Amino acid sequence: GESVGLHLPTLSVQEGDNSIINCAYSNSASDYFIWYKQESGKGPQFIIDIRSNMDKRQGQRVTVLLNKTVKHLSLQIAATQPGDSAVYFCAENMGGGSYIPTFGRGTSLIVHP
Amino acid sequence: ETGVTQSPTHLIKTRGQQVTLRCSSQSGHNTVSWYQQALGQGPQFIFQYYREEENGRGNFPPRFSGLQFPNYSSELNVNALELDDSALYLCASSSGQGASADTQYFGPGTRLTVL
Repeated sequence: GESVGLHLPTLSVQEGDNSIINCAYSNSASDYFIWYKQESGKGPQFIIDIRSNMDKRQGQRVTVLLNKTVKHLSLQIAATQPGDSAVYFCAENMGGGSYIPTFGRGTSLIVHP
Repeated sequence: ETGVTQSPTHLIKTRGQQVTLRCSSQSGHNTVSWYQQALGQGPQFIFQYYREEENGRGNFPPRFSGLQFPNYSSELNVNALELDDSALYLCASSSGQGASADTQYFGPGTRLTVL
């Protein structure tokens, strides 16, 4: 079946570096994508989203890029801080009038001071 | 904090038992979704309720059922518990419905252990 997956299960960076977390999706019908951050002992927290009619969206220190040609999504975090350490999930919504996001497996981001 | 609360925080049950997990959504959020998150995995969609009616369901058997109440609270019921049901159960609330649903706000989850 079609699924959302992540290329790297763990990413280690130094404080102040930029981080890039990647996500591959295989459902061409997906029209809405979301990145979540999950800290230990907490539920996922919305970071940023993007619709399929866009290829880039920026937030505070975060940027999401969408490449529909290769079905690839990335989350860029600028000037990564220790508080950014968490598991990051991408999720896709297949549209069709429903909002039922499918989550990928997650990438663990470790930020070293 | 998201304004979404869940109870209990942790729960231990034995195989074959039944369990009820509870969620209190943000005021004004008419949509609630429930997810199962196994260790090391992303959340898996169980079902979604909008204005007290089921609005979508994932690939979970009928022994997973839910209820949504007018006071923005909801329940997830699981009958005949199996060992593989051990997971973190998350609820998420949002305003709107379907494709117009606003951002989902997740609760902290209930950690269920089935022995």
